[in-house]
Amino acid sequence: KAGVTQTPRYLIKTRGQQVTLSCSPISGHRSVSWYQQTPGQGLQFLFEYFSETQRNKGNFPGRFSGRQFSNSRSEMNVSTLELGDSALYLCASSLEAGRNTDTQYFGPGTRLTVL
Amino acid sequence: GDSVTQMEGPVTLSEEAFLTINCTYTATGYPSLFWYVQYPGEGLQLLLKATKADDKGSNKGFEATYRKETTSFHLEKGSVQVSDSAVYFCALSEEGGSEKLVFGKGTKLTVNP
Repeated sequence: KAGVTQTPRYLIKTRGQQVTLSCSPISGHRSVSWYQQTPGQGLQFLFEYFSETQRNKGNFPGRFSGRQFSNSRSEMNVSTLELGDSALYLCASSLEAGRNTDTQYFGPGTRLTVL
Repeated sequence: GDSVTQMEGPVTLSEEAFLTINCTYTATGYPSLFWYVQYPGEGLQLLLKATKADDKGSNKGFEATYRKETTSFHLEKGSVQVSDSAVYFCALSEEGGSEKLVFGKGTKLTVNP
C-alpha cells in the first residue's frame, strides 16, 4: 500500500507570495493532519481534517489555511509568506478521527524556503 | 496545555552501547504515548506506542513503558547500531477525540562504529 505522498517536495518562494501544498493520505485513511517543523520551534500542529471538515486548529495566524476534498486528499495554503514560514511541512494520515490511540503515518514533507 | 519534555541531545554512543532517552509528559486525562524516529531527509516513522498505563511498546529492539505514576515514557535499547542514528521524538495524543500530536523537541542520536 502506498504511503502518504506530499507534493511538491521542495519549494522556494519570496516574501509576500502565497503557496499551496498538497497531501494524499494512505488509501482508506480519512483523517489528515498538518504539522510545521522548524529548528527553533520543533514540530507544531497546524490543523486536522476529517470528512472535509476542520476538526482542530493549532495556534497559527489566519494566513495558514487548509481544506480536505471528498477523496480525503488535503491541501494547505499559506498567504503573504514571511521569512519565518520557512520550514518542513509534514502531513500525516490516520484511519479515522476521534481515536487518540490511532497511529498517524507521516509523509516525507515539503521543504518550503522563503527568500 | 499538554506538553512533552524529552532529554536534550545530541547523544553520541558507540555501537552496542545501551541507550536511554528520557521523556516525561504533562496531560489531563489519559493520553496515548508515541515514539517517532526521523532519518535525515525523511518524514517521521512510528517506532512504538502505548495507549494505556503499564503498556509496553516495543519494536526493532526498542522498548518504552507507559508509567502514569511518574508521567514518563522513556525509550530504551539494549544494544544500538550505527543504523539507529536518527532524531527521536516523544509525542502524546490527547484524550478526547483529537488526532493532534504534541511533540517533544527531539533528541539526535549518533552511533559510531
